[in-house]
Amino acid sequence: SAVISQKPSRDICQRGTSLTIQCQVDSQVTMMFWYRQQPGQSLTLIATANQGSEATYESGFVIDKFPISRPNLTFSTLTVSNMSPEDSSIYLCSARQGRETQYFGPGTRLLVL
Amino acid sequence: GQNIDQPTEMTATEGAIVQINCTYQTSGFNGLFWYQQHAGEAPTFLSYNVLDGLEEKGRFSSFLSRSKGYSYLLLKELQMKDSASYLCAVRSPGGGNKLTFGTGTQLKVEL
Repeated sequence: SAVISQKPSRDICQRGTSLTIQCQVDSQVTMMFWYRQQPGQSLTLIATANQGSEATYESGFVIDKFPISRPNLTFSTLTVSNMSPEDSSIYLCSARQGRETQYFGPGTRLLVL
Repeated sequence: GQNIDQPTEMTATEGAIVQINCTYQTSGFNGLFWYQQHAGEAPTFLSYNVLDGLEEKGRFSSFLSRSKGYSYLLLKELQMKDSASYLCAVRSPGGGNKLTFGTGTQLKVEL
């Protein structure tokens, strides 16, 4: 199984600033994804991180707000730009390894003041 | 569009059996996943079904009927540590075979 780590684990940020979240997988994976989970709610897919090309965003999410990089098969970053209190959430990195499994990182808990 | 329904909450007794249902209407189907999520933690993979029938894995079993758009997760010999949120997710072809999650079922196991 793949082990996923994220940095930072949590942060408190000021309105208008940006935060970059890093995701590292301990083995090569085929797909990487970024999800958001609002308190007490389920997971919403932000985008699929594509290696060496632009990420594929879901409806309601745009590159200017959530730029994503994936320079290789084991690493990705998500930036939350120009933050507002509505961006307070848990951001989760996820990776697929093979057909039948998809794993999640421990999440980054973001609070925007 | 994608629509995945689960009960919001369930309560069961330690040692009992509980069944958590999930119904879905999605544009395409390429597998159904169940995850367990304890409060403040990341989701943990429990099971994957792509063909009809029952998959058993220890105390947990998962069933799928593709024609009915229906799945359930069966938890046997409930333990207090099974108190958690259980998430049903459907994978759809295209767009990287992304997972779409239901709202989750909060299970409380009582003495």
